Amino acid sequence: DAKTTQPPSMDCAEGRAANLPCNHSTISGNEYVYWYRQIHSQGPQYIIHGLKNNETNEMASLIITEDRKSSTLILPHATLRDTAVYYCIVRVATYGGATNKLIFGTGTLLAVQP
Amino acid sequence: KAGVTQTPRYLIKTRGQQVTLSCSPISGHRSVSWYQQTPGQGLQFLFEYFSETQRNKGNFPGRFSGRQFSNSRSEMNVSTLELGDSALYLCASSLGGATNSPLHFGNGTRLTVT
Repeated sequence: DAKTTQPPSMDCAEGRAANLPCNHSTISGNEYVYWYRQIHSQGPQYIIHGLKNNETNEMASLIITEDRKSSTLILPHATLRDTAVYYCIVRVATYGGATNKLIFGTGTLLAVQP
Repeated sequence: KAGVTQTPRYLIKTRGQQVTLSCSPISGHRSVSWYQQTPGQGLQFLFEYFSETQRNKGNFPGRFSGRQFSNSRSEMNVSTLELGDSALYLCASSLGGATNSPLHFGNGTRLTVT
């Protein structure tokens, strides 16, 4: 079973920030938070990941709470092309390398409205 | 840099046949994983290969198998196809080894079993 909980759907107005929440209350110390999105008929696209610090890249920002039990993915200026299913995943990472057995939940369908 | 390439993009087979799907990882990536996506079960992990060795396997019957070649390219095979095997099959690659690099997915092979 997925170790994350996400709302099934969200709406966002074009040009506004989209804030997608994720609950991972049972996360362990060696688990990273990863975000992917999937646009219809395409493979999941990697967005961002983090362990405990906030992260930002050209696509999005990831805010992880201090207790690491939840996180928020922020798309600063949503466009119609950001309409997709967004998956929040926890991934075990060790000195031997991270597992590639990702457990996907049902994700959040973000609909960006014009 | 070219992304993960999967061939063919679409495939139609009949029950009882077998099928082979191909995946070329991103250049320099040594780890390849396979996932099945269906409307009912979502994204599910099939198996993972690193340096031609299977590192992890999901909960699928033995009809599903895979292999990885010395150039990191991978194939998966499904024998004795069943109607329920109709799905989008996704390949993902990562640097692998003692790294925690993200997985990058291809756009998949859409298999229809009739």
